[in-house]
Amino acid sequence: EAQVTQNPRYLITVTGKKLTVTCSQNMNHEYMSWYRQDPGLGLRQIYYSMNVEVTDKGDVPEGYKVSRKEKRNFPLILESPSPNQTSLYFCASSVIQGRGQETQYFGPGTRLLVL
Amino acid sequence: RKEVEQDPGPFNVPEGATVAFNCTYSNSASQSFFWYRQDCRKEPKLLMSVYSSGNEDGRFTAQLNRASQYISLLIRDSKLSDSATYLCVVWGGTGGFKTIFGAGTRLFVKA
Repeated sequence: EAQVTQNPRYLITVTGKKLTVTCSQNMNHEYMSWYRQDPGLGLRQIYYSMNVEVTDKGDVPEGYKVSRKEKRNFPLILESPSPNQTSLYFCASSVIQGRGQETQYFGPGTRLLVL
Repeated sequence: RKEVEQDPGPFNVPEGATVAFNCTYSNSASQSFFWYRQDCRKEPKLLMSVYSSGNEDGRFTAQLNRASQYISLLIRDSKLSDSATYLCVVWGGTGGFKTIFGAGTRLFVKA
């Protein structure tokens, strides 16, 4: 079954404690992306990756890191989480073809609470 | 100015009604356009890709006007199950290959 998986689904942590949210896709997609969703603000892109070892900032990259060492995995790293990073996080992947981006497939989301 | 703007609604319509959503985008070089649907903080799912020629899928019709930088979605014969948030999405253009979401338009369809 084609899917994007994220782990953990729910996480409560404390300020400053490093954490990693994993994302994996089994569709051989080139493009992967992380978003955060906050009430009234919609989804905002944190980072995206066009392929292995190619990553770039989205609109809200501050406080986050990513890596793309393998095509299927795109972990999101919070080196020193702060309460303003409390949010719902989505990972997504898609194909990029000549005419542009195709359908994005989303993971189920990770609810993060930073105390 | 937001890069992708939508009327947040909510739109409250009776079953069977026709409802139209609009979206504007600011980056004239944007390459790909979509409508996604999101149910109650679940993951977004693609509703339709949007092309300049217009496209239709059953009760749903989407249209892109590149000159006006405007995207529309028309839902005919609304069903209770259409109640959701509709997200206008734009990809690419000057500045790289970002994906930009509108904040969403909330639709409630009532019996």
